[in-house]
Amino acid sequence: DAKTTQPTSMDCAEGRAANLPCNHSTISGNEYVYWYRQIHSQGPQYIIHGLKNNETNEMASLIITEDRKSSTLILPHATLRDTAVYYCIALPFFGGATNKLIFGTGTLLAVQP
Amino acid sequence: EPEVTQTPSHQVTQMGQEVILRCVPISNHLYFYWYRQILGQKVEFLVSFYNNEISEKSEIFDDQFSVERPDGSNFTLKIRSTKLEDSAMYFCASSGGLRQGNDEQYFGPGTRLTVT
Repeated sequence: DAKTTQPTSMDCAEGRAANLPCNHSTISGNEYVYWYRQIHSQGPQYIIHGLKNNETNEMASLIITEDRKSSTLILPHATLRDTAVYYCIALPFFGGATNKLIFGTGTLLAVQP
Repeated sequence: EPEVTQTPSHQVTQMGQEVILRCVPISNHLYFYWYRQILGQKVEFLVSFYNNEISEKSEIFDDQFSVERPDGSNFTLKIRSTKLEDSAMYFCASSGGLRQGNDEQYFGPGTRLTVT
């Protein structure tokens, strides 16, 4: 699985967009980019995933560069409840059960009032 | 909205005792997982389970650990003889697996295991 690199921490003002970068320069053609987050002491929470096209859902948008070597998770209007550790994970396209998540250290996003 | 539930929320046990952590995955999901997170450390994969058998397990998941889906709704993690270093938050997760490619995993709130 491709290694991902994320900044250790970021701050964002409440109400502003939070843009969380992820570098995955060794990603292979069959690997998806997944984003999860973990609010303090809670279980990880799925946010969004994509292969090569930009994706949007009710939580966030995912922008993947054309070369797929990096991506950005965008929380359009961050709230205090979005303070969490955000994980970017590359997972191979695999229609089976062996799709374990390998969590790194992620980015601690602190939303400031 | 369907969710993964786990019981108990906190379990305190003495070293050497057996513990069973329980999970109820989302009802139509096919794949089940256990992860753990030692305080202040990363979330670590333990085991995945599909079609009533283990699909993959990590190095952490040694002979002290076992998993079971005893009744079609519960998914349990048993630690036979707990050690101090088993103290951690244990998360259960499930995914649908109904479409090609990986499905997102839904995590429970966790069970905090404290071994004294």
